[in-house]
Amino acid sequence: AQSVTQPDIHITVSEGASLELRCNYSYGATPYLFWYVQSPGQGLQLLLKYFSGDTLVQGIKGFEAEFKRSQSSFNLRKPSVHWSDAAEYFCAVGEGDDKIIFGKGTRLHILP
Amino acid sequence: DAGVIQSPRHEVTEMGQEVTLRCKPISGHDYLFWYRQTMMRGLELLIYFNNNVPIDDSGMPEDRFSAKMPNASFSTLKIQPSEPRDSAVYFCASSQDSNYGYTFGSGTRLTVV
Repeated sequence: AQSVTQPDIHITVSEGASLELRCNYSYGATPYLFWYVQSPGQGLQLLLKYFSGDTLVQGIKGFEAEFKRSQSSFNLRKPSVHWSDAAEYFCAVGEGDDKIIFGKGTRLHILP
Repeated sequence: DAGVIQSPRHEVTEMGQEVTLRCKPISGHDYLFWYRQTMMRGLELLIYFNNNVPIDDSGMPEDRFSAKMPNASFSTLKIQPSEPRDSAVYFCASSQDSNYGYTFGSGTRLTVV
């Protein structure tokens, strides 16, 4: 069965610093991969997605993610975080049969 | 486009009462998903529909939970009778294609006392 692991429950970075959130998946074939962001009291918003092709994917709000098949990873990155990026981030994988499975999330805290 | 609309935003009810959560998906989206979010279990897929037909309800916790989609623009999730352990945020999401990425509603925060 497919699974998604986000090893970091909380991450704290200073405003202006770079960010990398980790995501590992378990799936036999090439998965569909997603990153979502959830601000407090809100639903999840799609940041970016990977289906095929270029393994470096650009998303909204200045985020990008890189698919690395050899490491079964899809890490999310941003060169310089802003205080408004404080939120919870979810990695998700689709196995091609309609369903998307979400990781447990990583809560990002920003220091001023 | 108003996005996925859920109502109510907050619901407080007493144990044993019936609770109905409502969702209006984005027009033209063929898939509708119901999720439950808790601190302990994260996001759990409860059930999803394709073209108004339930496809997979294996995530529905027990018979107290039921979901319907009578038409393409409306779905309900019902809990009867409700229990304190049902307290959670319930999200509805819709999608044009299952792997296109979902659009989520703002959720319903349910508290059962």
